Amino acid sequence: SAVISQKPSRDICQRGTSLTIQCQVDSQVTMMFWYRQQPGQSLTLIATANQGSEATYESGFVIDKFPISRPNLTFSTLTVSNMSPEDSSIYLCSVSQTPGTGELFFGEGSRLTVL
Amino acid sequence: GNSVTQMEGPVTLSEEAFLTINCTYTATGYPSLFWYVQYPGEGLQLLLKATKADDKGSNKGFEATYRKETTSFHLEKGSVQVSDSAVYFCALSDWGSQGNLIFGKGTKLSVKP
Repeated sequence: SAVISQKPSRDICQRGTSLTIQCQVDSQVTMMFWYRQQPGQSLTLIATANQGSEATYESGFVIDKFPISRPNLTFSTLTVSNMSPEDSSIYLCSVSQTPGTGELFFGEGSRLTVL
Repeated sequence: GNSVTQMEGPVTLSEEAFLTINCTYTATGYPSLFWYVQYPGEGLQLLLKATKADDKGSNKGFEATYRKETTSFHLEKGSVQVSDSAVYFCALSDWGSQGNLIFGKGTKLSVKP
């Protein structure tokens, strides 16, 4: 299994500002995923971040709004840029230690509230 | 496209009651199916999975059977405990996105002593 730490666990942000969420894994993993969970909704994949390559974004998500870094095999960041109240969500980092199995490990999430 | 529909919550049960959380899916091909659980204050974790039709996944007293004919993967437990209080997510694999999972909305379960 993998242990994932996310920071911050929660934050209250002002409209128009940006916030960077950090994800630290206790082991080296190739594939990392960033999900968003809006209130009352299911988890939606934002992007897949593989070390050494550009992140792959899902439909409806763009790099300018959600830039991602993946500097090594144990760390990634997701920035939520120019925030609006619609960005209020829980953002989750997850990793796959065994690609192709669908078994993901998740961090506890970062709950963002945008005023 | 692929999708997962699970029963709306919250669900409140007394200890030792029988639990069913319904999950149905729409998918092309033959996805793998999963139940994830999120206990209060913790991250999501895999509860059980099934990779082909008629497979039964089981863990911690929970079971779910992959029913291709009804496109369902209902979660069941014969006798719930207070410690089972959590949010349960049904999910399927979408291998077109490098291992992305498609999740249902989650069902919150509260078990009262």
